[in-house]
Amino acid sequence: DTEVTQTPKHLVMGMTNKKSLKCEQHMGHRAMYWYKQKAKKPPELMFVYSYEKLSINESVPSRFSPECPNSSLLNLHLHALQPEDSALYLCASSQPGQDFHGYTFGSGTRLTVV
Amino acid sequence: GEDVEQSLFLSVREGDSSVINCTYTDSSSTYLYWYKQEPGAGLQLLTYIFSNMDMKQDQRLTVLLNKKDKHLSLRIADTQTGDSAIYFCAEKRMDSNYQLIWGAGTKLIIKP
Repeated sequence: DTEVTQTPKHLVMGMTNKKSLKCEQHMGHRAMYWYKQKAKKPPELMFVYSYEKLSINESVPSRFSPECPNSSLLNLHLHALQPEDSALYLCASSQPGQDFHGYTFGSGTRLTVV
Repeated sequence: GEDVEQSLFLSVREGDSSVINCTYTDSSSTYLYWYKQEPGAGLQLLTYIFSNMDMKQDQRLTVLLNKKDKHLSLRIADTQTGDSAIYFCAEKRMDSNYQLIWGAGTKLIIKP
């Protein structure tokens, strides 16, 4: 299995809602990432988990809360989002020390905040 | 500076070769990657080159690396309509375990 699976594919939520994005990989990768991508822009790193521990938080507002329950799963909990948070949220994984494989990305969750 | 730079658009005729260019700034970069993103989709790793290489070929794709000028290019031979996408170059620096520095992306437009 060489895929990163993200659910849901699309999500519309109000500013008072709480929702979660989910990501799963079965490649045995021990680093997992959340990226935010606005239209026609490169992805922006939000969080990195390495061996299930949070390694990098790129000063992301606390309304985004990541969670890594185990080595295959990564969640992003959303609460009290703003319309400007509407974007494509991408999950990726990689194996530390095997940079020649690059990162494997999921297809993303298209989030719209209304 | 930290920027990885790419032209925003490239237009080519179907069947011609496409050459997408990228410049980077850090000579300590280890791996340089090319990713493809089709509309509404995630990012697909196309190919990579290690910083001690000059060229890498993989079927229709050829990557050239000029370390002196910090210039990277991706050549797509016999460009097809399915190659229409945004192409991002990204560099991984030796001093970072997990961060990639991304270019702005080049939109490849195929003319019939």
